[in-house]
Amino acid sequence: AQKITQTQPGMFVQEKEAVTLDCTYDTSDQSYGLFWYKQPSSGEMIFLIYQGSYDEQNATEGRYSLNFQKARKSANLVISASQLGDSAMYFCAMREFPGGSYIPTFGRGTSLIVHP
Amino acid sequence: NAGVTQTPKFQVLKTGQSMTLQCAQDMNHNSMYWYRQDPGMGLRLIYYSASEGTTDKGEVPNGYNVSRLNKREFSLRLESAAPSQTSVYFCASRSEIGQGIYGYTFGSGTRLTVV
Repeated sequence: AQKITQTQPGMFVQEKEAVTLDCTYDTSDQSYGLFWYKQPSSGEMIFLIYQGSYDEQNATEGRYSLNFQKARKSANLVISASQLGDSAMYFCAMREFPGGSYIPTFGRGTSLIVHP
Repeated sequence: NAGVTQTPKFQVLKTGQSMTLQCAQDMNHNSMYWYRQDPGMGLRLIYYSASEGTTDKGEVPNGYNVSRLNKREFSLRLESAAPSQTSVYFCASRSEIGQGIYGYTFGSGTRLTVV
């Protein structure tokens, strides 16, 4: 079973609108971290936002927010006021701590295209 | 990305050839990772190293070896390249990405084609 599931292979959004990218995770650990990364067509991996499992408030970073629903094991990324430059692949990731090592696991990604 | 340097950026190999992908970080991090990225598969962990001198297998280690001889460098070796190893390879290290928050800093990637 996948530890990180991103069910939307591709998403389209109109410029200036908001978009939600889905992510569900599977872990039996109480302590874990959730991340979103952006990969533009140039290929680099850019960190966007982080949510710790004990954080009670949803993380926000500028136009990015993470809708963290612990009971549902979901960590959706919300991008407000989409811009053309937001067109990219987006990866959800989870960090666990099995046996004393920090291991990040990534989902398969969602391709976001922003239309003008 | 600042702090994690991967070389080479591009490489074409013939089946059966060997090569080593180099990764170095200058941020004094303990944990380093090698991933491969294939279309529709996301990033899959090949090997990781929790500290200098230690390495462990990830999800897809077959056909690869790694070496962590010092804290700074973590190399990935393909002993006998196969077309199935055509992929984009990323090195990453665990780094402080915010106040007291640790995440992962990636190198710029190596695009490897095995013909």
